[in-house]
Amino acid sequence: SAVISQKPSRDICQRGTSLTIQCQVDSQVTMMFWYRQQPGQSLTLIATANQGSEATYESGFVIDKFPISRPNLTFSTLTVSNMSPEDSSIYLCSGNRGTNEKLFFGSGTQLSVL
Amino acid sequence: DAKTTQPNSMESNEEEPVHLPCNHSTISGTDYIHWYRQLPSQGPEYVIHGLTSNVNNRMASLAIAEDRKSSTLILHRATLRDAAVYYCILRRGASGTYKYIFGTGTRLKVLA
Repeated sequence: SAVISQKPSRDICQRGTSLTIQCQVDSQVTMMFWYRQQPGQSLTLIATANQGSEATYESGFVIDKFPISRPNLTFSTLTVSNMSPEDSSIYLCSGNRGTNEKLFFGSGTQLSVL
Repeated sequence: DAKTTQPNSMESNEEEPVHLPCNHSTISGTDYIHWYRQLPSQGPEYVIHGLTSNVNNRMASLAIAEDRKSSTLILHRATLRDAAVYYCILRRGASGTYKYIFGTGTRLKVLA
């Protein structure tokens, strides 16, 4: 298994500002993903974080709003830019390994935008 | 996209078996069926996965229909700690390009 740590665990931000969420894995993972979970809802895939190249975004999510970096096999960041109250959600980082198909999740970042 | 359909909620008595159904009629031949559960204030955790054959592990069993258009997660003896939201997911894509698309999930309530 892999342990995924996310920072911060929660934050309260002002409208119009940006927040960068860090995701650190204790060992190398093949793929890393970012999900959003709105209150009482299921998880929605934002993007796949690709090592050393641009992330692959899902429909409805764009790089200008959610820039993602993945400089190596154990670290990724997600920035929520120009925030509005509609961005208030839990943001979750996850990863898997090539031969082990399980997804591992961090405990999430709870974001509230005022 | 790979969609799954699950009942919104289910209830079970403690110590009894629970059968959580999932429909995935759009499944393709290479899609794996995954199940995860999410306890309150935590990220989802892996439960079990399979391709065609039924699977057992320490947490649960996975029964996959012959046409693969549905599956059932079986908790053999529900405990209060099993109260969670259970997600059925299709993992789609080739190695290095996988996507895990979550369905709406089933909230399981376990009654003492």
